[in-house]
Amino acid sequence: NAGVTQTPKFQVLKTGQSMTLQCAQDMNHNSMYWYRQDPGMGLRLIYYSASEGTTDKGEVPNGYNVSRLNKREFSLRLESAAPSQTSVYFCASSLDRGTGELFFGEGSRLTVL
Amino acid sequence: AQTVTQSQPEMSVQEAETVTLSCTYDTSENNYYLFWYKQPPSRQMILVIRQEAYKQQNATENRFSVNFQKAAKSFSLKISDSQLGDTAMYFCAFMARGTSYGKLTFGQGTILTVHP
Repeated sequence: NAGVTQTPKFQVLKTGQSMTLQCAQDMNHNSMYWYRQDPGMGLRLIYYSASEGTTDKGEVPNGYNVSRLNKREFSLRLESAAPSQTSVYFCASSLDRGTGELFFGEGSRLTVL
Repeated sequence: AQTVTQSQPEMSVQEAETVTLSCTYDTSENNYYLFWYKQPPSRQMILVIRQEAYKQQNATENRFSVNFQKAAKSFSLKISDSQLGDTAMYFCAFMARGTSYGKLTFGQGTILTVHP
């Protein structure tokens, strides 16, 4: 029962470097999400994909890009990392966008120096 | 835009007792859903309970129940017979059925510690 798998789990970057966070789900879900979690601020939506082939901006999309590669995979790219992007990133999926029941990955802790 | 506020950063309770976590929200939408999610230490976040705004009856799931006050825009979570495994961060979340359908807005979270 893999559920939602994120890689890498930990990453340290220098300012200006780029990286991609990978996410895959094996539950045949239609919708996928990327959130970031910061102390005192809860989870904030970066991007989401209601279905394969569609993506939409969330609350904090600046500095990020996403790709919904296929139904299973939804990647998040930081083109030029900044210290403000130090955070824990969570990928999630749901059967469809109407349920509100999100299944989360274990999180990826990113530090930008 | 919707906002969700959890005013209690931390709460604690003795095992077997009852605790209530608070949540308020602000929205101009009339048709929406509210959720409580649980994030245990070093474990994945899971859905605890869900409430549909058009339903007047408060949702319950075993030891977890909510007090939904639509006019007051309040949505509290009551945990009865608290167990050590309830120790976690709890997030209140909101989703509207409108242009932002499918997007959940989360509160800041409340860390709950259950003491033996």
